[in-house]
Amino acid sequence: NAGVTQTPKFQVLKTGQSMTLQCAQDMNHEYMSWYRQDPGMGLRLIHYSVGAGITDQGEVPNGYNVSRSTTEDFPLRLLSAAPSQTSVYFCASSFQRGGSDTQYFGPGTRLTVL
Amino acid sequence: AQSVTQPDIHITVSEGASLELRCNYSYGATPYLFWYVQSPGQGLQLLLKYFSGDTLVQGIKGFEAEFKRSQSSFNLRKPSVHWSDAAEYFCAVVGGTYKYIFGTGTRLKVLA
Repeated sequence: NAGVTQTPKFQVLKTGQSMTLQCAQDMNHEYMSWYRQDPGMGLRLIHYSVGAGITDQGEVPNGYNVSRSTTEDFPLRLLSAAPSQTSVYFCASSFQRGGSDTQYFGPGTRLTVL
Repeated sequence: AQSVTQPDIHITVSEGASLELRCNYSYGATPYLFWYVQSPGQGLQLLLKYFSGDTLVQGIKGFEAEFKRSQSSFNLRKPSVHWSDAAEYFCAVVGGTYKYIFGTGTRLKVLA
């Protein structure tokens, strides 16, 4: 198993540009989530999904969109990038939706918005 | 709403010394509690988790944590720290809404 994969590893955007961060898992996990990590802030939940076709907002959803058309993929879209979205983004997945299961994290995407 | 506090931003210990990292949570019922570790430039790896039952939980790499309901705490301990334990440690809580809430992390430095 490849586990949780994220692409790209690094990205530089200009303010106003859009892009999609890709996340995929091959473990048939129901639960997937996106976090951003900023110095001194820990990880903050952006969006999560408890299964294909079901998504919900986390702590900091503004400026981000998600969809879950398949079990494997959970892309994160930035519609109009802002410097405040400069961060490291982590995708994670777990087998069960109930919150009791271990989350497996991807290696992260480091995004810089100029 | 649930929340997690890790009061220590940085901790420095000597190799071979004992370690305790603090975590306090806020939640109305018994939550699911986790400790994760992040090495530089890496994602997070689970050290241990607590759901119910025995309040002393054993994890990987020789770590353990104790759930204390009366203190709303879930502190992480290790009897003897190794240089390879230098990393950032995150406590997390999950309540009834599938939302994981992470603490702000504690960065551990190990002196040779």
